[in-house]
Amino acid sequence: DGGITQSPKYLFRKEGQNVTLSCEQNLNHDAMYWYRQDPGQGLRLIYYSQIVNDFQKGDIAEGYSVSREKKESFPLTVTSAQKNPTAFYLCASSEQGSYYEQYFGPGTRLTVT
Amino acid sequence: SQQGEEDPQALSIQEGENATMNCSYKTSINNLQWYRQNSGRGLVHLILIRSNEREKHSGRLRVTLDTSKKSSSLLITASRAADTASYFCANVRAGGTSYGKLTFGQGTILTVHP
Repeated sequence: DGGITQSPKYLFRKEGQNVTLSCEQNLNHDAMYWYRQDPGQGLRLIYYSQIVNDFQKGDIAEGYSVSREKKESFPLTVTSAQKNPTAFYLCASSEQGSYYEQYFGPGTRLTVT
Repeated sequence: SQQGEEDPQALSIQEGENATMNCSYKTSINNLQWYRQNSGRGLVHLILIRSNEREKHSGRLRVTLDTSKKSSSLLITASRAADTASYFCANVRAGGTSYGKLTFGQGTILTVHP
């Protein structure tokens, strides 16, 4: 069963704690992406990676970090420096290049109190 | 970042009617894509139209692209209650370092009443 998995579906953390969101894909895609979605809003790009061991900042990278040590995995860490971390986080992957659709995971809803 | 704009923000129709959603963007694009999102779920790709294409069809979906006006529209014909979802346009900017990056619009919430 091919696709993207994100875990957990719901995550609760106290303010000041770092938290890591998992994203795994078995589609053999080179490119992977992390987005943030706030209520009633579109998606904003946090980080993306076009190949293993390489990643670039997106439009709202401050307070986040990523790693890409394996092709199938692209974990996102929400650090305590992120001022408003409560949001819906979506991971996606695609073939490398501009003419390919992105495949999305089911998302992780993070609540920080 | 510059995000596209979609209108209407919300659309409510009866089953069987057609639904039209519009999207505008600000920069030259490589291609434009439409995605669907059911409440609280991930996005699903619907259709991709390249900058040199003007119209594309997929089942009950018809997408048009007008690069001179920097706008696109998505038409869903003979809508069904199951089409109820949020619809997003997203574009890939032409050139530069935007390789593969999608810039999303705010979305249109479509409600189809049975």
